[in-house]
Amino acid sequence: EPEVTQTPSHQVTQMGQEVILRCVPISNHLYFYWYRQILGQKVEFLVSFYNNEISEKSEIFDDQFSVERPDGSNFTLKIRSTKLEDSAMYFCASRLTSGGATDTQYFGPGTRLTVL
Amino acid sequence: AQSVSQHNHHVILSEAASLELGCNYSYGGTVNLFWYVQYPGQHLQLLLKYFSGDPLVKGIKGFEAEFIKSKFSFNLRKPSVQWSDTAEYFCAVNNGQNFVFGPGTRLSVLP
Repeated sequence: EPEVTQTPSHQVTQMGQEVILRCVPISNHLYFYWYRQILGQKVEFLVSFYNNEISEKSEIFDDQFSVERPDGSNFTLKIRSTKLEDSAMYFCASRLTSGGATDTQYFGPGTRLTVL
Repeated sequence: AQSVSQHNHHVILSEAASLELGCNYSYGGTVNLFWYVQYPGQHLQLLLKYFSGDPLVKGIKGFEAEFIKSKFSFNLRKPSVQWSDTAEYFCAVNNGQNFVFGPGTRLSVLP
């Protein structure tokens, strides 16, 4: 069964450094998402991406965040200048269509980001 | 704003006990409803989903959930839990734009 993959599984960085989290969505999917889960808290929506542009973003997704689909397979989340509070598990998800019976997001295994 | 609440933060059961995890959402329109499970150290996995039709939905690993529209609820049930069901369970709602997750319920099953 096709799956969403994410690299790295764990990233440790110094405060103020830039990090890029990588995701490879399921190959024929068209909608892409990033979520984060701070330890012990709920999963929070960050951003959705369709047709090479952001379709929706949350309040969390401020100017230090950016997303990109640099080629036909990767979907990246960049955090420009990391802060301690960015430490979390970041999940990528993809979906085939915008709604209906195939409206299921498939989640990747997550990247644990630790900011020191 | 759309929100999802889960009744219990942490549930502790013995093996073979029955399970019901509550989930309520606030959204007046048509929604799709989901339950995800996150086993320790692993990623989110879909347990079951409801789009339309029979409000009693059966998922993997013996789980089921019932959609009660009048109560805005989508409670998860399992008649007999196993130690391997120990995990975090998230209810989620999708109104066609993005997913909103509940805060999660941690289930601990004692052997």
